[in-house]
Amino acid sequence: DTAVSQTPKYLVTQMGNDKSIKCEQNLGHDTMYWYKQDSKKFLKIMFSYNNKELIINETVPNRFSPKSPDKAHLNLHINSLELGDSAVYFCASSLGAGSYGYTFGSGTRLTVV
Amino acid sequence: DQQVKQNSPSLSVQEGRISILNCDYTNSMFDYFLWYKKYPAEGPTFLISISSIKDKNEDGRFTVFLNKSAKHLSLHIVPSQPGDSAVYFCAAASGGYQKVTFGTGTKLQVIP
Repeated sequence: DTAVSQTPKYLVTQMGNDKSIKCEQNLGHDTMYWYKQDSKKFLKIMFSYNNKELIINETVPNRFSPKSPDKAHLNLHINSLELGDSAVYFCASSLGAGSYGYTFGSGTRLTVV
Repeated sequence: DQQVKQNSPSLSVQEGRISILNCDYTNSMFDYFLWYKKYPAEGPTFLISISSIKDKNEDGRFTVFLNKSAKHLSLHIVPSQPGDSAVYFCAAASGGYQKVTFGTGTKLQVIP
């Protein structure tokens, strides 16, 4: 039973399209995150939600909008996709906002053509 | 501005020998440090951590050393096994509701 699951695993789409990535955790954790791993393999945080409340919002274009309908789900919607958005997006969760032992999903590889 | 740096992109070690992975950080506010391990097509997996009040933490074959004055930490794997072949990410955080900042990773290959 997967602890943190992301869908889809792969996403190929054209520039200008709007797409969503979904994330769900069944660990009972309070905090969820979105990280982006770019072509240089640098893992950078984008957003963090604690119990459905946004607590970290890094400098990310406002084309990226997270949504947390409940503490077990954190979805990422991306509008007007650009070539530079191509990356692997990882969802993660932790017990709480001050708990750093994250459990990561297996990633969504987004390719914008 | 990369606050957590792993200057060795790759490392090869013979099976049974010690693997030493290094990490440097620049932010003196970091007070918690972690290592994650990542296999291809999977997400990173938490491996071991250390608080800034300690200089060593051990868990089985894995030991993390912290040198606060040098802003340096290292992960020792003894003995190294082929299954340890993966990318290892160093990470750091400061207290409270703070993000974890990751390094760029070191790819370890353990040769049988």
